[in-house]
Amino acid sequence: NAGVTQTPKFRVLKTGQSMTLLCAQDMNHEYMYWYRQDPGMGLRLIHYSVGEGTTAKGEVPDGYNVSRLKKQNFLLGLESAAPSQTSVYFCASSSRRSHQGSEQFFGPGTRLTVL
Amino acid sequence: TQLLEQSPQFLSIQEGENLTVYCNSSSVFSSLQWYRQEPGEGPVLLVTVVTGGEVKKLKRLTFQFGDARKDSSLHITAAQPGDTGLYLCAGAGGRSQGNLIFGKGTKLSVKP
Repeated sequence: NAGVTQTPKFRVLKTGQSMTLLCAQDMNHEYMYWYRQDPGMGLRLIHYSVGEGTTAKGEVPDGYNVSRLKKQNFLLGLESAAPSQTSVYFCASSSRRSHQGSEQFFGPGTRLTVL
Repeated sequence: TQLLEQSPQFLSIQEGENLTVYCNSSSVFSSLQWYRQEPGEGPVLLVTVVTGGEVKKLKRLTFQFGDARKDSSLHITAAQPGDTGLYLCAGAGGRSQGNLIFGKGTKLSVKP
């Protein structure tokens, strides 16, 4: 089992460029999440999905879009990158919702720099 | 907005010392999790506590959930360099809409 994988690991963008981050999980989990981690800010939820074909906004969704066309994949898109989106992005998945005490499994992260 | 306040933000100690990290909120959570994150990697779950007053032990790590389920602590006995990392608490339930709310983390450095 690979668990949760993320591609790419690193990326540098110029302001205004677009890109898509791919997350894949092989644990047949229903729930998937995208977080960003900034120094001194902890992990903040961007968007999440409670199943194939569904998405919902988290705490900091502005400037991002997501899609969950297949159960195992969760894509995070930046349509017009801004320097404020420089961050480390983590994808996670879980078998149940967090309020049920379910563990979240995290990918290794994507370090994005927007110049 | 539910918030989880972690303290201290940074902790640098010598091998063999004991330490406690705190996670506090004014809100009640149905469960609280502790994760550890090493540089360049994603967080990994250490423990989940769900009952007020619950104490769980994981080798030299002791986790406690407050009686009112608003706070938690992580105590490490005889810290080792391998304990170095970022410790994150995360609460679920209440107004979190089924998602996890993370604290800002405690960065621990244990020097040999």
